[in-house]
Amino acid sequence: EAGVAQSPRYKIIEKRQSVAFWCNPISGHATLYWYQQILGQGPKLLIQFQNNGVVDDSQLPKDRFSAERLKGVDSTLKIQPAKLEDSAVYLCASSTGPMNTEAFFGQGTRLTVV
Amino acid sequence: KQEVTQIPAALSVPEGENLVLNCSFTDSAIYNLQWFRQDPGKGLTSLLLIQSSQREQTSGRLNASLDKSSGRSTLYIAASQPGDSATYLCAVREGNTDKLIFGTGTRLQVFP
Repeated sequence: EAGVAQSPRYKIIEKRQSVAFWCNPISGHATLYWYQQILGQGPKLLIQFQNNGVVDDSQLPKDRFSAERLKGVDSTLKIQPAKLEDSAVYLCASSTGPMNTEAFFGQGTRLTVV
Repeated sequence: KQEVTQIPAALSVPEGENLVLNCSFTDSAIYNLQWFRQDPGKGLTSLLLIQSSQREQTSGRLNASLDKSSGRSTLYIAASQPGDSATYLCAVREGNTDKLIFGTGTRLQVFP
């Protein structure tokens, strides 16, 4: 079974530029998550999708971050414009559904904003 | 608001020791608790998933326990090896919101 795929693996941009990350969840997984992990901290949930609907985006900085899940499968996370404090690893995860299901994570995208 | 705490933040031990990593959470209304491993520069690998109705789960040298009423979980690693060196994260799936909330992790180093 293929895992959660993310691209790119690494990205370096200047502040005020825009960037986009892509995630392809495990086939058949209805729930998709985007997390931000700052160095030395645990992952923080940014947004959670159930199929192509948003379940929770309460911690997504909506003035600069946006996310969408096309046709309930792939998802993109965009930052525009980027700030220095956005430097982090962005992790995508998926699970078959809500509640008692196991979450599986991709390798993450390491973003450095200079 | 659910808060997840992991103690200790870092641990360095000689090879062969048995270890206990601790995870505590403030709201016992959870669906499950999951332990992950994270190697430097990598994503998260799921180690064990304990449902709220279960007391423990075992996989190889790993054993995780859950005491939901007291808001605690432990990850026991038997006969530690240098290859176990990584950051270990616990996460709870909230019962009310279905969010997966992470602790800050325990950074483990096992030296030969």
